[in-house]
Amino acid sequence: GENVEQHPSTLSVQEGDSAVIKCTYSDSASNYFPWYKQELGKGPQLIIDIRSNVGEKKDQRIAVTLNKTAKHFSLHITETQPEDSAVYFCAEERGSTLGRLYFGRGTQLTVWP
Amino acid sequence: DVKVTQSSRYLVKRTGEKVFLECVQDMDHENMFWYRQDPGLGLRLIYFSYDVKMKEKGDIPEGYSVSREKKERFSLILESASTNQTSMYLCASSPTSQETQYFGPGTRLLVL
Repeated sequence: GENVEQHPSTLSVQEGDSAVIKCTYSDSASNYFPWYKQELGKGPQLIIDIRSNVGEKKDQRIAVTLNKTAKHFSLHITETQPEDSAVYFCAEERGSTLGRLYFGRGTQLTVWP
Repeated sequence: DVKVTQSSRYLVKRTGEKVFLECVQDMDHENMFWYRQDPGLGLRLIYFSYDVKMKEKGDIPEGYSVSREKKERFSLILESASTNQTSMYLCASSPTSQETQYFGPGTRLLVL
C-alpha cells in the first residue's frame, strides 16, 4: 500500500523555537492518525494521536491538527528542547484495513542548544 | 505499562541460515505486527496477525514467514537468510483498531 507522505525529512531548529512536521494521506476513510517518536537505539513510541472526529488535540508542548478536507495532519512542537531530538513518524489507519497502520518515512528533528 | 520484548537486540547470521525472531507481548493484545526499518525507507510492514493462527501479508512478505501459535507470541522466520535482509526488525502489538501500536526495542540483524 502507498505510504503517507511526510515532510520534511530533516528539520533543524534552535532550542526554544517551534517545529512543524506535516503528513498527507489519500484515503478519505482514514480514521486514526498517531505520531511516534523514535530515539536512537529504541523502538518508536507514541507521543500523540488524533481520531477523525476531532480537528485538534494538545498535550503540553505537543499538538496535532487534522484537516480532513485537505487530507493532511501536522505535528507541532513548541518551545523545543534538545531532548526532543529524534526521528518522528506519522501514520494513518485506513477504513479498509482496520488495525493496520501506514507510516510516513520519518523526520529527523535536531534541536540545537 | 505494555511491554513488548524481542528475543535478541543484535544477531549475526550467515547467508542461507534459517533465522527465528521472537516477539512476546504481555497485554493480551489481539494484533501483532512485524516491520523492518531501513534508512530513508521508514517502517515497512512484513506480516501481521489479528488472532492466533491467523496471518496477513504486509507490503514486503517475500522471503519471510510468520507463526502465531499463542496470543502473546509472534515469530518471524527467515527461511534462508540473504544479505539484503540485513536490517532492523521491529515487532509491535495493539489491542484493536484505532488504538496505538506498542513497539519492542528492535533486533538489528546482520546477514554475512
